[in-house]
Amino acid sequence: QSVLTQPPAVSGTPGQRVTISCSGSSSNIGSNTVTWYQHLPGTAPKLLIYNNDQRPSGVPDRVSGSKSGTSASLAITGLQSEDEADYYCATWDDRLHCPVFGRGTKLTVL
Amino acid sequence: EVQLLESGGGLVQPGESLRLSCAVSGFTFSDYSMAWVRQAPGKGLEWVSTIGGPSGPSYYADSVKGRFTISRDNSKNTLFLQMDSLRVADTALYFCARKAPDYYDTYHFDDWGQGTVVTVS
Repeated sequence: QSVLTQPPAVSGTPGQRVTISCSGSSSNIGSNTVTWYQHLPGTAPKLLIYNNDQRPSGVPDRVSGSKSGTSASLAITGLQSEDEADYYCATWDDRLHCPVFGRGTKLTVL
Repeated sequence: EVQLLESGGGLVQPGESLRLSCAVSGFTFSDYSMAWVRQAPGKGLEWVSTIGGPSGPSYYADSVKGRFTISRDNSKNTLFLQMDSLRVADTALYFCARKAPDYYDTYHFDDWGQGTVVTVS
């Protein structure tokens, strides 16, 4: 049972904009920064966004993150087939004293 | 280039032990905290354990506390996870991950391995 809630799946067509939500509480997202990871099964997970909205080197600027209160969002514009993957939000939880992940959202490019 | 390569997974029976290894290269291993994160079949990611650099401290998820031990050999650039008293619920793909430095003031993992499969049955 994850403390961070994500939709199980989202989809979009090439070129579209999609968003993935991540809902938490005051003990996690409400008081800590949010990270987003991209994972293609069979490969290493990849850091996509850290500190709510920061992109590591190599992540295109069509990928963006935001946070408001106890929720966060990942947005991908100009959707491409290579974006088809699982996406996880994560943060630190002050009550559990450990990092926590969402259950993941499967992005399908139609 | 940062590389993390896990090994040691396999099929074991409940109650048995297994030791995972993660060989790293491309960065100064002793400078970084390292972690294990797992993904059970059909489930999301779950943090398992973290060890600080260069020699600890170590932290564990409640689900593995008292059964798993994380350690590191900085001379061999290798991270370990000793898993004892394994349970069916420990069945998962286990990832080794590098924690981003503290100066980022945000808890996240900036590099990951591809994982090694542990099956308890």
